[in-house]
Amino acid sequence: KNQVEQSPQSLIILEGKNCTLQCNYTVSPFSNLRWYKQDTGRGPVSLTIMTFSENTKSNGRYTATLDADTKQSSLHITASQLSDSASYICVVSGTGRGSTLGRLYFGRGTQLTVWP
Amino acid sequence: NAGVTQTPKFQVLKTGQSMTLQCAQDMNHNSMYWYRQDPGMGLRLIYYSASEGTTDKGEVPNGYNVSRLNKREFSLRLESAAPSQTSVYFCASSNLRQGFNSPLHFGNGTRLTVT
Repeated sequence: KNQVEQSPQSLIILEGKNCTLQCNYTVSPFSNLRWYKQDTGRGPVSLTIMTFSENTKSNGRYTATLDADTKQSSLHITASQLSDSASYICVVSGTGRGSTLGRLYFGRGTQLTVWP
Repeated sequence: NAGVTQTPKFQVLKTGQSMTLQCAQDMNHNSMYWYRQDPGMGLRLIYYSASEGTTDKGEVPNGYNVSRLNKREFSLRLESAAPSQTSVYFCASSNLRQGFNSPLHFGNGTRLTVT
């Protein structure tokens, strides 16, 4: 069964600290892996998209890593800010039939809270 | 540049009532999608439209209909609302020309409560 599991479910850190969010998936065949940030009351916003050949991708203070062999990804946030408080969603795209993006499998998200 | 705009932002319906959720994008994207987001669950695809004039069912299409009015607009209709349709609905679009690596651009959602 194709699944995307994220951990931890929630996380609280102090402003300025670093943190790492995890994503494990069983989707096969695999096309790409995405990380989205969703602020409360807003729609998700794309942070990164990585194909199976990419190991690391950065977007400002956000760095995503991908190990396609072990089917694991992480999102590292450096020097956290209050505005980083949000839900972070891991999305895996499988190839094959379905929408033009292939079939998308959404994780349930990690709720990050940054305290001052 | 508004991106993806959804209306209304909030709606309360009684069981059996009907309504249409509106979505418009100004990014000239070919593909548009409707998702629902429920507590403790990942986003689930209701319907999508790969291009103007085509629509297809997603994972959870029962109880919904869609219309791709033109390239910009994609509406979602609930013909007879049920409490199980209480959810947050997100419209999204993507650039077909980018293929499988194209990011989704989401609207800010419609929060629907069915009593």
